[in-house]
Amino acid sequence: GAGVSQTPSNKVTEKGKYVELRCDPISGHTALYWYRQSLGQGPEFLIYFQGTGAADDSGLPNDRFFAVRPEGSVSTLKIQRTERGDSAVYLCASSLTGWGVGDTQYFGPGTRLTVL
Amino acid sequence: GENVEQHPSTLSVQEGDSAVIKCTYSDSASNYFPWYKQELGKGPQLIIDIRSNVGEKKDQRIAVTLNKTAKHFSLHITETQPEDSAVYFCAAGKSTFGDGTTLTVKP
Repeated sequence: GAGVSQTPSNKVTEKGKYVELRCDPISGHTALYWYRQSLGQGPEFLIYFQGTGAADDSGLPNDRFFAVRPEGSVSTLKIQRTERGDSAVYLCASSLTGWGVGDTQYFGPGTRLTVL
Repeated sequence: GENVEQHPSTLSVQEGDSAVIKCTYSDSASNYFPWYKQELGKGPQLIIDIRSNVGEKKDQRIAVTLNKTAKHFSLHITETQPEDSAVYFCAAGKSTFGDGTTLTVKP
C-alpha cells in the first residue's frame, strides 16, 4: 500500500519568505510526527499529532513554526519569516495509534528546504 | 529531557564481517529503543526494536542488546553485505534520536 508522502520534495525560498510543507500519512494512522534533520545529524522532534490535535509541540523551535492537521489526516508544517538556519530536511512520520510502546513510525522521504 | 549518544559516527567493514554500533541514553525511564536504517534520499526505516523488559532480540542477521543498568544498547549486524551500507540511527522512546552511524560495507 501507499506509504507516507511529502510534498514538495525540494523547496528553495528566500530569507524572510513563508513556506508550507505537506504530509500525507498512511491511511488510517491516527498519529503523525514532524521532525527536522540537519546534515550529519539525527531527526530532531518538532511536533506530534494525535488525530486533529497537537499532543506534544515541545520541539517547535520558536513561534515562526506552526503545524496543523485539521481533519486528522493530511498535515501542513508552516514556517514564517524563514531564516537560513531553517535549511534542513523536514521529515514526516505516521503511526497507527501513537500510544504505547512500540507503535512503529513510518517515515516519508522528506522535504529538503533551502533558505537562500 | 532524554539525550542519546551514538558511536561510532562512521564504520567501514569488509563484506562478511560483523558491525557493531553502540548508543547510550540518559533517561532511566525510557523503555523503548528502536533502530532505523536511512538510505540516501529516503526517510528512516525501522529495522529492529527492543523494549526494556528484554535484554536481547534477534532478527536474522540483526540483533540488538540492551543493558538498562548501564543505560546502553547496541546493534549487531553479522555477515554484512554491501546493501547494508547506509546510515543507522538509534533512538530512545519515540522521538529522541542519536546522530547516526554511516556504515560502509566494502565488497
